[in-house]
Formats: sequence, structure tokens, C-alpha cells
Amino acid sequence: DAGVIQSPRHEVTEMGQEVTLRCKPISGHDYLFWYRQTMMRGLELLIYFNNNVPIDDSGMPEDRFSAKMPNASFSTLKIQPSEPRDSAVYFCASKSTQGAGELFFGEGSRLTVL
Amino acid sequence: AQSVTQLGSHVSVSEGALVLLRCNYSSSVPPYLFWYVQYPNQGLQLLLKYTTGATLVKGINGFEAEFKKSETSFHLTKPSAHMSDAAEYFCAVTFTSGTYKYIFGTGTRLKVLA
Repeated sequence: DAGVIQSPRHEVTEMGQEVTLRCKPISGHDYLFWYRQTMMRGLELLIYFNNNVPIDDSGMPEDRFSAKMPNASFSTLKIQPSEPRDSAVYFCASKSTQGAGELFFGEGSRLTVL
Repeated sequence: AQSVTQLGSHVSVSEGALVLLRCNYSSSVPPYLFWYVQYPNQGLQLLLKYTTGATLVKGINGFEAEFKKSETSFHLTKPSAHMSDAAEYFCAVTFTSGTYKYIFGTGTRLKVLA
């Protein structure tokens, strides 16, 4: 079975540019989470969706960040404009309502903003 | 407030020695508890989980953890460390009621010495 698929794996951009990160959750999973990982702050929850609806976006750092889930198989995290402090690894994870509820993570998108 | 604390950001053990990684949580409702492992440049993979029932849970790669409600702990152990166990380990908690926010600890980097 395909796991959570993220793209791009690596992104290098210049300050002020728009960045779009993409995620395809595991088929049948109805929860999707976006996390950010940095050395200083560890793993931070940015936002999560249930059945394509944003449930909690309290972790989104500021208005430059936005996330959408137009359908059950696709989500984006957009940063506009990007800043050097946004440099991090961004993870997408999904889970099913059924079962014990573990998260399944993608391999992450490493973002470097120069 | 609900939280997870991992004692020791770095732990070193000799190959063949006992591995003990500590995790304490704070929760006002029954928790679900997880240990994840992260290898370099990869996403997080589930090692084991506790939901209900038996408090000693076994996971992959010979790891196990015991849920101790009285101590609010969920420490991860492995009797004999292997070089391939070198990675970062995260304890996480979510809750049986309310939101599906998963709270992660700050991680413990395990180094295995030959």
C-alpha cells in the first residue's frame, strides 16, 4: 500500500517567494495533519483536517501560512511570502477514524529559504 | 494542560546494553500513548502504541514500553541495543475524548557505541 506521499522532498527558495508543499494522504484516511520540525522547536502541529475541513489551525504561525484540502486525496501548505525563519522540515501525516489512531507520516519536505 | 516530557535529549549506550528512554505525560483524560522512531532524512515510523488493555506493549525491533498510570509514564526499553537502533525517538500522546491533537515530546537521540 502506498503511504503518505509528499512533494517536493527538497525545496530551496529565496526570501519573499511563494512556496507550496503538497501531500497525498493514505486512501481512506479521514484525518490529515501538517507538522513542522526544527531543531529549536521540535515537532509542531500547524493544522489538521477532518473530512477535508480544517478543525484546528491554532498552530499556524501567521497569516503568511495557509493550508487547504480540496478533496480527500490532496492537501497543500502554502507560505507566501517565505522568510528564512520558515526553513524547516514539513511533515504531512494522516490517520483513520478506525483503529487505535496512530499517525502515518510522509517522508517530509525540507524547505530552505535563503 | 496536556503535555509530554522526554528526559534526556541525547542518550548513549553500548551495543548489547539495555536501552531506556523516558517519557512522562500530563493528561486529565485517559491517554493514548505512542513511541515513534525517526531515522535521518525520513519521516516518523510507529514503534508501538498503548490504547487500552495490557499495560506492557511490545513493538517492532524488540522494543517494548509499559504504561504506568500512577507514575504517568510510558518509558521505552529494549534489552540489548543494536547499532541499527541509532535514531531519534519521539513519545506522543493523544486523548480518548476531545480533539485529535497529538502532542509530541522533544525527542531523544539514541547513540549506540560499538
